Amino acid sequence: AQTVTQSQPEMSVQEAETVTLSCTYDTSESDYYLFWYKQPPSRQMILVIRQEAYKQQNATENRFSVNFQKAAKSFSLKISDSQLGDAAMYFCAYRSVNRDDKIIFGKGTRLHILP
Amino acid sequence: DGGITQSPKYLFRKEGQNVTLSCEQNLNHDAMYWYRQDPGQGLRLIYYSQIVNDFQKGDIAEGYSVSREKKESFPLTVTSAQKNPTAFYLCASSIPTRVQYFGPGTRLLVL
Repeated sequence: AQTVTQSQPEMSVQEAETVTLSCTYDTSESDYYLFWYKQPPSRQMILVIRQEAYKQQNATENRFSVNFQKAAKSFSLKISDSQLGDAAMYFCAYRSVNRDDKIIFGKGTRLHILP
Repeated sequence: DGGITQSPKYLFRKEGQNVTLSCEQNLNHDAMYWYRQDPGQGLRLIYYSQIVNDFQKGDIAEGYSVSREKKESFPLTVTSAQKNPTAFYLCASSIPTRVQYFGPGTRLLVL
């Protein structure tokens, strides 16, 4: 069964600095999707970025980018120029393209932004 | 505006009572999901449905029930058999194998 691990329960970063959140996953499949979701204090889950496993190029969305290392099964999220509004829980998620259509979430990393 | 709505925002349950959480989407998505989130924890899948009139148990289905009579609607009933129902409940929908979009959630508390 697939698993998703986020090894950093909490992190802090100074405003305007860069921070990287780690995520590793375990799968025997070759094709899948990976996501980062943000959950701010409102608790609304918001998609931050997505990556298709067959694409070698790392996904980028404005200040958010990923470092996707397929062989290492690693999918880290880099936030550049951190802003106060980035403070939230961040969840890494895995989705198979083949099977029972479930998404598997990591336990999350709480990110604090220091002014 | 296209999106997912959940109601109510807060729900209180008495001992032995069944309560139903509403989830509606107008995104024309085939698949819908229910998750439970406990404080400081990730999301756990309760039930999901990939098509109308069909649904599957997730990882923690005991004490919950669902129906999928319409494409737009996927209500979740928390039955009296669920002994620890206090949690935050999130509904999501998607085109199969694609991104899941989430509703704003319902906070369930036990009186």
